[in-house]
Amino acid sequence: EVQLLESGGGLVQPGGSLRLSCAASGFTFSSYAMSWVRQAPGKGLEWVSAISGSGGSTYYADSVKGRFTISRDNSKNTLYLQMNSLRAEDTAVYYCAKVILVWQQLAGPLPGYMDVWGKGTTVTVSS
Amino acid sequence: QSALTQPASVSGSPGQSITISCTGTSSDVGSYNLVSWYQQHPGKAPKLMIYEGSKRPSGVSNRFSGSKSGNTASLTISGLQAEDEADYYCCSYAGSSTHWVFGGGTKLTVL
Repeated sequence: EVQLLESGGGLVQPGGSLRLSCAASGFTFSSYAMSWVRQAPGKGLEWVSAISGSGGSTYYADSVKGRFTISRDNSKNTLYLQMNSLRAEDTAVYYCAKVILVWQQLAGPLPGYMDVWGKGTTVTVSS
Repeated sequence: QSALTQPASVSGSPGQSITISCTGTSSDVGSYNLVSWYQQHPGKAPKLMIYEGSKRPSGVSNRFSGSKSGNTASLTISGLQAEDEADYYCCSYAGSSTHWVFGGGTKLTVL
């Protein structure tokens, strides 16, 4: 069974740092791109970051660019999100998700959708 | 403000059909056949319901269907059941710099 389990959330002061982890099992981790999506309290889903299967390509939403770093350790089947300079507006449940690439004519493989999601970990930024 | 526009709420009675729209632009929904839909029950993780605009993952009821016309994608749920009551989000690939954009979500109430 494919499973994703996030950890590392907690309470942190504004300006602080936190590292989230996502342990994957049940599939060949290195063969898949992965993503982080967050959901602020009472709000909708917001894509945060994505990384290729090899880890060689990374992508970020403008709202976190320069502050967050996505990475992965394929030997440990684990995805990470290093979050620095945290702000109150970063308060959210953070989900990791497995990405399926879809072949598009003329464009090649593109991030199609997220087929498996973890249960999420809560990050609260407050003094 | 979300990149994709969804109605905040829709409702229907058991057995009826409802449709949730998701309006984007020529840079996202209109450019790629990469719209996905996610169902989220309170306190739970999102669940993939439709991908590539109209395809259903294994295990998802055939009461759920998706379509797209121009810059607008739609999710239709037929034969509404109580367990369908949830929030629904559309999502579209939006290019290499923006990557993914979500709709603001639609709360479905089964009356």
